[in-house]
Amino acid sequence: DSGVTQTPKHLITATGQRVTLRCSPRSGDLSVYWYQQSLDQGLQFLIHYYNGEERAKGNILERFSAQQFPDLHSELNLSSLELGDSALYFCASSLGTGLFNEQFFGPGTRLTVL
Amino acid sequence: LAKTTQPISMDSYEGQEVNITCSHNNIATNDYITWYQQFPSQGPRFIIQGYKTKVTNEVASLFIPADRKSSTLSLPRVSLSDTAVYYCLPYNQGGKLIFGQGTELSVKP
Repeated sequence: DSGVTQTPKHLITATGQRVTLRCSPRSGDLSVYWYQQSLDQGLQFLIHYYNGEERAKGNILERFSAQQFPDLHSELNLSSLELGDSALYFCASSLGTGLFNEQFFGPGTRLTVL
Repeated sequence: LAKTTQPISMDSYEGQEVNITCSHNNIATNDYITWYQQFPSQGPRFIIQGYKTKVTNEVASLFIPADRKSSTLSLPRVSLSDTAVYYCLPYNQGGKLIFGQGTELSVKP
């Protein structure tokens, strides 16, 4: 158990819908990262927040957005869903943002878009 | 983006030592080399990190030559539970992890 929690574990929805994935980082960690893992694209970095502020963006679509709240939990919002958005979404947390940053990954949310 | 090359898959038997080598020709002076392990349908897990020479922890060893253009993850006496994908991440991109294909290790009895 990494100490990172993600809800829900599974999510099934239809194309065009909007969903929210939630992540609670390890106690004391200020950084939250979101990753998407699909069969054809592998593990892809989406976005990084540190203490409520966006720090870096990766291959995140405009239909996707995220935020980190004052209590440090984070939400990833996915809208106008397409079949290709079906994937495992991981959240990770770390203490800071430095080069020696060990990231702790949550169990993931499996999103299925029908 | 600089490229990382590691074998796509490897097979081993229980009790053997497994060495997975990763090449990273464009590694920068301030880049640390990190390895993660991922089991199916689980998030990746940090294994080991190093800068040069040799690093050892309770799980693995990491060997890095002087030119740092490659690194070798060594897993001593593997067991069936070591069957997983192993990712080499040599480039620090401001904290975000850039995963390549990884090496799928299959340990057989």
